[in-house]
Amino acid sequence: GDSVTQMEGPVTLSEEAFLTINCTYTATGYPSLFWYVQYPGEGLQLLLKATKADDKGSNKGFEATYRKETTSFHLEKGSVQVSDSAVYFCALSNAGAGSYQLTFGKGTKLSVIP
Amino acid sequence: DAGVIQSPRHEVTEMGQEVTLRCKPISGHNSLFWYRQTMMRGLELLIYFNNNVPIDDSGMPEDRFSAKMPNASFSTLKIQPSEPRDSAVYFCASSSRGAGGLSYNEQFFGPGTRLTVL
Repeated sequence: GDSVTQMEGPVTLSEEAFLTINCTYTATGYPSLFWYVQYPGEGLQLLLKATKADDKGSNKGFEATYRKETTSFHLEKGSVQVSDSAVYFCALSNAGAGSYQLTFGKGTKLSVIP
Repeated sequence: DAGVIQSPRHEVTEMGQEVTLRCKPISGHNSLFWYRQTMMRGLELLIYFNNNVPIDDSGMPEDRFSAKMPNASFSTLKIQPSEPRDSAVYFCASSSRGAGGLSYNEQFFGPGTRLTVL
């Protein structure tokens, strides 16, 4: 079945550091890929998405590129802020394969210190 | 738009008691999902509905758990009897498949219900 693997956390960075959170996936066909973010005490929010190969999703300074050749969707940000401290989830949706649910990775906790 | 609404936000109960969690999806959304989040197991899909019909309940842990969606604007997740290992944050999410030509399933999450079973 479909699966998502993302780097183990927690990740601790200083403010203005560069962020990369790795995500790879296993799926049949052409899934859509997502990054969700969960701030403390809240539900998950969609951060960005990409629906086909070579698409780049971007939002709030975060970017991720859908790489079919490496089955990856790594999240990057050039300069993190304290307010970016949260848990980040990589996910895929394989509606083309008849699955209407999201498959999530286990999440990566990011802490940004001043 | 009010977003996905869940109630209660916090629930503390004693082992053996019945617990009912409630969810109101975003108006117009036709898919609804129940998730459970724990430190040990992460985010798990319990069940999802499409047009009020349960499509996949393979994630429901056991017969003590049941979910209903009597109409497009309301769903419940019931645990009877509750056990301490059910303590978790339960999320409801909704999505609109096919609306506006979307082919991907962007899900909108509620704030969650934090359940503690003593």
